[in-house]
Amino acid sequence: QVQLVESGGGVVQPGRSLRLSCAVSGLTFSNSDMNWVRQAPGKGLEWVAVISYDGSDKYYADSVRGRFTISRDNSKNTLYLHMDSLRTADTAVYYCAKGERYNGSGKKFKYWGQGTQVTVSS
Amino acid sequence: DIQMTQSPSSLSASVGDRVTITCQASQDIRNYLNWYQQKPGKAPKVLIYDASNLETGVPSRFSGSGSGTDFTFTISSLQPEDVATYYCQQCGYLLTFGPGTKVDIK
Repeated sequence: QVQLVESGGGVVQPGRSLRLSCAVSGLTFSNSDMNWVRQAPGKGLEWVAVISYDGSDKYYADSVRGRFTISRDNSKNTLYLHMDSLRTADTAVYYCAKGERYNGSGKKFKYWGQGTQVTVSS
Repeated sequence: DIQMTQSPSSLSASVGDRVTITCQASQDIRNYLNWYQQKPGKAPKVLIYDASNLETGVPSRFSGSGSGTDFTFTISSLQPEDVATYYCQQCGYLLTFGPGTKVDIK
């Protein structure tokens, strides 16, 4: 059974940092591209970042580039999102999601975690 | 960056109705378009990938079509359990979600 379990969310002041974790089981983590997706209260889904299976490639949404860092530890089957210089606009539920490739370059998110709430507030 | 638009933003239909949602990309994404369903308080679930392929285990009343910049998602016969928000997602260049369409029962 595939499980993705996020942790590390909480309430943080603007300008501070926070690190999210996503523990993965039930699949071969080291073969999987992994993503973070967030959803602000009452809003839609926003893709945040992706990391390749071996950590060699990382891409970010414009809204977080330069402030957030995605990383992984394949020995621990764990994905991370280090968030610096947090803003109130970063308040959201953060999901980790496993990318699955199709048709060459296509990617879909079949497996998701339950999400962890991050609230940025003074 | 590739921008995605969806219409309508919300709709209300009767059980058994045919429901159609459209999604448009700001540039050609070939068939790299997925559709997700999200129910309140839950993570999204992929329904359609590669524009028209039904994900394993998803009921056949869901379907998708289109290529390039214009895509359509259809529920052939709306069921009460289909009340949710539906998102398109492009994966032709990085990843972008559409703004979503909220579907209710009339």
